[in-house]
Formats: sequence, C-alpha cells, structure tokens
Amino acid sequence: SQQGEEDPQALSIQEGENATMNCSYKTSINNLQWYRQNSGRGLVHLILIRSNEREKHSGRLRVTLDTSKKSSSLLITASRAADTASYFCASYQGGSEKLVFGKGTKLTVNP
Amino acid sequence: DAGITQSPRHKVTETGTPVTLRCHQTENHRYMYWYRQDPGHGLRLIHYSYGVKDTDKGEVSDGYSVSRSKTEDFLLTLESATSSQTSVYFCAISDDGQPQHFGDGTRLSIL
Repeated sequence: SQQGEEDPQALSIQEGENATMNCSYKTSINNLQWYRQNSGRGLVHLILIRSNEREKHSGRLRVTLDTSKKSSSLLITASRAADTASYFCASYQGGSEKLVFGKGTKLTVNP
Repeated sequence: DAGITQSPRHKVTETGTPVTLRCHQTENHRYMYWYRQDPGHGLRLIHYSYGVKDTDKGEVSDGYSVSRSKTEDFLLTLESATSSQTSVYFCAISDDGQPQHFGDGTRLSIL
C-alpha cells in the first residue's frame, strides 16, 4: 500500500517560478525523504527530514514537515528547465526497512 | 552514481520463459532492494535483502524470487514470466536508516 501520496499529480510552471509539491502519509514516521527522477533514469535522493524537524533547506529546496497533519511539502524556488522531473516522497513503513513511495508529482518547467 | 549497476538494461522475452535480472554494488551496503515501476502505481517494492542470504518480501512479491549469495550481488528471478510483469525494474541500496541509491533500471518487456 502507498505510504505517501503526492499532490498535485502534475504541475507545469514557467522558469523562475516556485514549485510546491505536497505529500501526505498514513502511519507514524522517523523521517520522510524526497527523491527526484529524471526521465529514463533511477531515483535520486534530494533531502531527508526527521520527524523532530519542521523545516529543512538544501540549496533551492525547502522541505517542511507537519507530523500532526501527516504531511510534508517540497518547495523548489526559482525553478529551472533542468528541474523538470518527477518528484516522490517516501518513508519507512512501521519502523521496518521497507521504504514506501508515493506515486509522484510530474513537474514540467517551461523555459 | 553510487556504485550500483543493473543488467541487462533492456530485455524482451516471451511469456513462460525464466528471466533473471542482476544488481551489482560496489558500496558494501547492507540493504538491497528490487522495485518495479508502472504508470499509475509509482514505485512498488518486490523483495529486499538485509544481508547475505537474508531476504524478505515486499508489496508485490508474487511471481518473483530473489537471491543474495554475496554482499555485492542481488538477483531477481521471474520463474515463468507473464505479460503483467512487463515493467521497469529498479534496484536500490542503502545502509541502516540512510537514503537509498538507485540504479538506472531494467526495462523488461514480456510478449
């Protein structure tokens, strides 16, 4: 079963704009991770936020976590055409080593 | 990339034939995973390994078997391939609680 569900499923923006993607999850987590997947490639880890953190930054990425609402958001600021990709949230299910992924948000950044 | 190689990268085969996919790592990571990715389903865990000869089932394990006889290799076998197993297969590796690193996938078509 899916642990995370991303919203929206697809997002199209212009270069320079900000992109926000949301993720909701079902069970308690130790951390939540975000991954990017370029077309035809494997997933690449972007950022991990722990359950005791509320916000984390990495370059143009900003991730927030609200454990009371079981939700997280990924903000990409000043987007570039190279940010075009699918973005997935993931978390370990029930303390196991099984990382469960959402279905992803497909982001298109138009030049 | 994080020292992970999948082979073959592409394969076309017929229903009923056995198929083995190989994942090889040079990172000496403890955990290795096999996922399949299908439109509308995101990434789903098939099997994973937490050590040599130690494996466990994932969400969609029916019709698949795995083996890990040494740390660096994790094999996924479809004993008798079916058309429903046409998919893109990804291998991933990680250490305890760490983000996963993915291979570039194997595109498998079963006719």
